[in-house]
Amino acid sequence: NAGVTQTPKFRVLKTGQSMTLLCAQDMNHEYMYWYRQDPGMGLRLIHYSVGEGTTAKGEVPDGYNVSRLKKQNFLLGLESAAPSQTSVYFCASSFLDYGYTFGSGTRLTVV
Amino acid sequence: SQKIEQNSEALNIQEGKTATLTCNYTNYSPAYLQWYRQDPGRGPVFLLLIRENEKEKRKERLKVTFDTTLKQSLFHITASQPADSATYLCALDDRYDKVIFGPGTSLSVIP
Repeated sequence: NAGVTQTPKFRVLKTGQSMTLLCAQDMNHEYMYWYRQDPGMGLRLIHYSVGEGTTAKGEVPDGYNVSRLKKQNFLLGLESAAPSQTSVYFCASSFLDYGYTFGSGTRLTVV
Repeated sequence: SQKIEQNSEALNIQEGKTATLTCNYTNYSPAYLQWYRQDPGRGPVFLLLIRENEKEKRKERLKVTFDTTLKQSLFHITASQPADSATYLCALDDRYDKVIFGPGTSLSVIP
């Protein structure tokens, strides 16, 4: 039982490049989330989904897009990376109001 | 404005003592509050959830209280051990399908 799996674990991008972060969960959770974590800023919600085919904006959605075509997968896209998007990205999933299960994170550096 | 605050300073305590972490919030009316543990380089791990109609909840050496009048939750670790050293995050639901995380408190248990 893997829980929440994020790929890749590390990535370095040049400014203006695009990439997609993949999150997969095997717990049949309806809810999935993308957060970014920066020193001194805590976890900030980028986008989330309450079920297959749905997405919604969080606190810091600008510069990111998401898709939830399958219940188990939640993709986070950066269309044109900027240095301000250098961060650690965490995906999480949950069942109703139970605790969130987080992935191990993706460390992204934009140069 | 809405705000979640945790102990502003890192907490250092002696092994065997009880660690008490605070989480205060303003302009939220959460139905529940969660506590997580995060180790360096890892994703947060869910510890406990307490609902608005519960005053206290326990799990092994952990105890959480929730005072909706004071808008505060206290998180206690009794008989603390060096292995309890980590950052602890509180998170409360915003009644719109997601939780908002506090900035976290760093706890160090000194042998």
